[in-house]
Amino acid sequence: LAKTTQPISMDSYEGQEVNITCSHNNIATNDYITWYQQFPSQGPRFIIQGYKTKVTNEVASLFIPADRKSSTLSLPRVSLSDTAVYYCLVGLVTGTASKLTFGTGTRLQVTL
Amino acid sequence: ETGVTQSPTHLIKTRGQQVTLRCSSQSGHNTVSWYQQALGQGPQFIFQYYREEENGRGNFPPRFSGLQFPNYSSELNVNALELDDSALYLCASSSGLAVYNEQFFGPGTRLTVL
Repeated sequence: LAKTTQPISMDSYEGQEVNITCSHNNIATNDYITWYQQFPSQGPRFIIQGYKTKVTNEVASLFIPADRKSSTLSLPRVSLSDTAVYYCLVGLVTGTASKLTFGTGTRLQVTL
Repeated sequence: ETGVTQSPTHLIKTRGQQVTLRCSSQSGHNTVSWYQQALGQGPQFIFQYYREEENGRGNFPPRFSGLQFPNYSSELNVNALELDDSALYLCASSSGLAVYNEQFFGPGTRLTVL
């Protein structure tokens, strides 16, 4: 499984755009990149998933360069409620083989 | 559509005891995965069940065992509890038929071993 490296913590002010970068140098050809969000005392929640280039949904955007050795989760105009831990996961996610491997994540603190 | 539910919410046990945690999967999901999350760490995969059969296991000893029932609910059993078993235990359900599927997590069971 590809090892991921992401910052331990980040701080932001409300209303700013936040970009969290994840390094995954040994990503395999069939691996997808998935981001989860976790609030205290709750289970993780799927945010976004992608394979290459750019993916956007109503919550975030995911930018993946051509070499796929890194990815950036972009949260537009964060609010206090975006304070959470964000996990970058890399691996083969197919049907019943979805064994998610979480690292320690990035703790995002949003303040006024 | 109900989400993933887990019971109990909190549990306190003593070393050497046995514990059973329960999970009800989201409607329409036939795959359940269990994770252990120690304080300050990311969740660690314990095992996964698909249509009542174990479908993969993480680096956990045999005293961690599980079951999945015909209605796709699941149990996690831990025997001979150790202090290090204190953690948040998360259950996640997904549809095993979907490719690149998304896992839906429950709120977890907080287990404290004294």
